[in-house]
Amino acid sequence: ELKVEQNPLFLSMQEGKNYTIYCNYSTTSDRLYWYRQDPGKSLESLFVLLSNGAVKQEGRLMASLDTKARLSTLHITAAVHDLSATYFCAVVPGANNLFFGTGTRLTVIP
Amino acid sequence: EPEVTQTPSHQVTQMGQEVILRCVPISNHLYFYWYRQILGQKVEFLVSFYNNEISEKSEIFDDQFSVERPDGSNFTLKIRSTKLEDSAMYFCASSLDRGHQPQHFGDGTRLSIL
Repeated sequence: ELKVEQNPLFLSMQEGKNYTIYCNYSTTSDRLYWYRQDPGKSLESLFVLLSNGAVKQEGRLMASLDTKARLSTLHITAAVHDLSATYFCAVVPGANNLFFGTGTRLTVIP
Repeated sequence: EPEVTQTPSHQVTQMGQEVILRCVPISNHLYFYWYRQILGQKVEFLVSFYNNEISEKSEIFDDQFSVERPDGSNFTLKIRSTKLEDSAMYFCASSLDRGHQPQHFGDGTRLSIL
């Protein structure tokens, strides 16, 4: 059974702190995506990671991919309130359908 | 920036009724998808569509579901006889290719079955 597990499921962190969200998956996937979802809103693409060792950064977020370990990380640097959202990773088990992780609900508190 | 648009934003339907959810993908995109998200849960793949036919579908996408691209711009999801468990947010997405580009999601249609 395909599993994509994120850790933690809920994260409350103070502004200015650093933290990492983990995404473990049980199948081979030649790429991995990170999406952000604000409450009641759609999914916004953050990163597309295409190969082993890929690292991408945008602002305070940095994502990496280790295909051998079947692990991706989303690192948050110096968190700000605007980063509060739910973050999903997704792998591609088939031709092009996304299989999403469980999601990590991040709350940044002052 | 081009975006995927979905209508209606909220649909309330009696159980057993048919419902059609509509989507206008980004104009130069070639691949189209439907996903659903039951409240508080993760996003689940339903179906992908390319070149006027279904490419992949999940176990959720049974005979009650169908998709269509009737006029070259709209992409619809039909549920023939709705059940209570069909209540969810339904997202349409499109992508330029099936490789490196991300899928772009619409704002979703909240479907409530009574």
